[in-house]
Amino acid sequence: RKEVEQDPGPFNVPEGATVAFNCTYSNSASQSFFWYRQDCRKEPKLLMSVYSSGNEDGRFTAQLNRASQYISLLIRDSKLSDSATYLCVVRGRNAGKSTFGDGTTLTVKP
Amino acid sequence: DTGVSQNPRHKITKRGQNVTFRCDPISEHNRLYWYRQTLGQGPEFLTYFQNEAQLEKSRLLSDRFSAERPKGSFSTLEIQRTEQGDSAMYLCASSLDDTSNSPLHFGNGTRLTVT
Repeated sequence: RKEVEQDPGPFNVPEGATVAFNCTYSNSASQSFFWYRQDCRKEPKLLMSVYSSGNEDGRFTAQLNRASQYISLLIRDSKLSDSATYLCVVRGRNAGKSTFGDGTTLTVKP
Repeated sequence: DTGVSQNPRHKITKRGQNVTFRCDPISEHNRLYWYRQTLGQGPEFLTYFQNEAQLEKSRLLSDRFSAERPKGSFSTLEIQRTEQGDSAMYLCASSLDDTSNSPLHFGNGTRLTVT
């Protein structure tokens, strides 16, 4: 079993739709959590950190459930430019190794 | 541009040859990480440094792979006796410090093709 698991998708949604991705992690000692976005053949870029109380950045909302060991990302009012692969990232203590999921692919269509 | 810089961008080599990649992190960042990514997979951890000290290496990293960060600034990743299975994108990332919330900033990567 992988340390970080994501539904690979693809998710194909129309513009304006709301879409949610989930991610589960196996190491209960994990300390910090992130969502990254990766465009085709580009490097991953930080989308947002995920805080225990949940956090929002514009159309994006991230939630963390430590008891169930899952993280979610909600995208509201999808734009064509949101089409990308979304990577869930889990990190241990002291900013050590960060473990990436294999990503969920989103395609937003006109 | 003060982002993470990697070179070369692309490297094509024949099986059995040695290759070396370079990474220049964001200047004030003291953590530097190497990852490898293949198509359809997320980045796979290889190793990381705190300044010049190599703090962790993946068990997946064979002894053909070695990384250095001699002065705590740039880093090199060398692969000896390359194999076709080494073909991948090699990503370098840096982070500001050792706090858990300090995110990784990636370079553009070096794409390695072993023929």
